[in-house]
Amino acid sequence: QITLKESGPTLVKPTQTLTLTCTFSGFSFSTSGVGVGWIRQPPGKALEWLAFIYWDDDKRYSPSLKSRLTITKDTSKNQVVLKMTNMDPVDTATYYCAHARWPQGYFDYWGQGTLVTVSS
Amino acid sequence: EIVMTQSPATLSVSPGERATLSCRASRSVSSNLAWYQQKPGQAPRLLIYGASTRATGIPARFSGSGSGTEFALTISSLQSEDFAVYYCHQYNYWPRTFGQGTKLEIK
Repeated sequence: QITLKESGPTLVKPTQTLTLTCTFSGFSFSTSGVGVGWIRQPPGKALEWLAFIYWDDDKRYSPSLKSRLTITKDTSKNQVVLKMTNMDPVDTATYYCAHARWPQGYFDYWGQGTLVTVSS
Repeated sequence: EIVMTQSPATLSVSPGERATLSCRASRSVSSNLAWYQQKPGQAPRLLIYGASTRATGIPARFSGSGSGTEFALTISSLQSEDFAVYYCHQYNYWPRTFGQGTKLEIK
């Protein structure tokens, strides 16, 4: 079955770069159509779509955050990494990674999420 | 960017009753619309995709309808485990976008 799990720091300081890793099983980027996205949720607020990467290395970003985000994949390790630069307290949120398939775009499997707090 | 607007923000319904949640897109997203359920402390769970197709394991009391810009999620007879926050999500355009959520609470 498909599982995903996010990992990374729980606390980062303002201006630092956040690096989150999504480690998954049950699918592979060697298979055409596979994709993984990142979504975040500030405490008590709505979901916000951040970035997405496909098996063919096609990458998509939220326009409002594009200058700060980088998404990459490591096919051999079954991992997707999200980097977000210049962190600010407003970036405090639970960060989720999730699986989707091309051409569909809905997220059918989600990780449990990881809470990242930005504070000095 | 497509703006997804959900209404109402909060819906109070008694167990056993019917609940209808609405989602409107700022531009047509065809049928590329999904619904998720989120309970406190949990990740969202896919309920509906393609506007009306139930995901694997989702009870038949959940149904989705609509296309274009107007969508609805209906829960025919609310069970205690259905009280949660529901999000709609369009995947027709980049960037993907979510609605702001509807909280379904016990009346």
